[in-house]
Amino acid sequence: EADIYQTPRYLVIGTGKKITLECSQTMGHDKMYWYQQDPGMELHLIHYSYGVNSTEKGDLSSESTVSRIRTEHFPLTLESARPSHTSQYLCASSELGTTVDNSPLHFGNGTRLTVT
Amino acid sequence: LAKTTQPISMDSYEGQEVNITCSHNNIATNDYITWYQQFPSQGPRFIIQGYKTKVTNEVASLFIPADRKSSTLSLPRVSLSDTAVYYCLVAMDSNYQLIWGAGTKLIIKP
Repeated sequence: EADIYQTPRYLVIGTGKKITLECSQTMGHDKMYWYQQDPGMELHLIHYSYGVNSTEKGDLSSESTVSRIRTEHFPLTLESARPSHTSQYLCASSELGTTVDNSPLHFGNGTRLTVT
Repeated sequence: LAKTTQPISMDSYEGQEVNITCSHNNIATNDYITWYQQFPSQGPRFIIQGYKTKVTNEVASLFIPADRKSSTLSLPRVSLSDTAVYYCLVAMDSNYQLIWGAGTKLIIKP
């Protein structure tokens, strides 16, 4: 059912490695988001984008970067993974509303990252 | 500072109606309220969205009083498969921020 895809689903990697988490959506949505979430806990916004060539930092962005070269693709890169990055990373998209941001978010199933 | 507050956990029994309330004291006139459901190892899934009064769809109802300082998600006749974490979200018109609640873990017992 999901029209937003995240890969890999699970990733175990050593400290200091550079990693890129992939996110693609087929709905033509302009807005895309990256959230970090520990299981059953709050969602923390890492980055978001209003469209191609638009990227903004969220509350938790200092150790990662994103790019938005194509509408459907919004990859997240960690330059140097650390154990504190161990978490679930969720990608989401929504339509760009004309007024308030009331367009529902569509989430992928996440990437579970473990840094050893 | 905008904030949404919801109970950490609730439990109920199959066949009962469950109401989960979210407080959002600083909500502004044009802000929307949305509720999401999340199962383990999945992303949150949209349940219902509202602005004022009452909204109903095939799975839930959302009640928003006149002062809009809270909202209540109502799940009729829950089943075991409704066990999940439920998140309240306020979309702020002023700055396009999305303010998430910390989630309510709902456990349905047989």
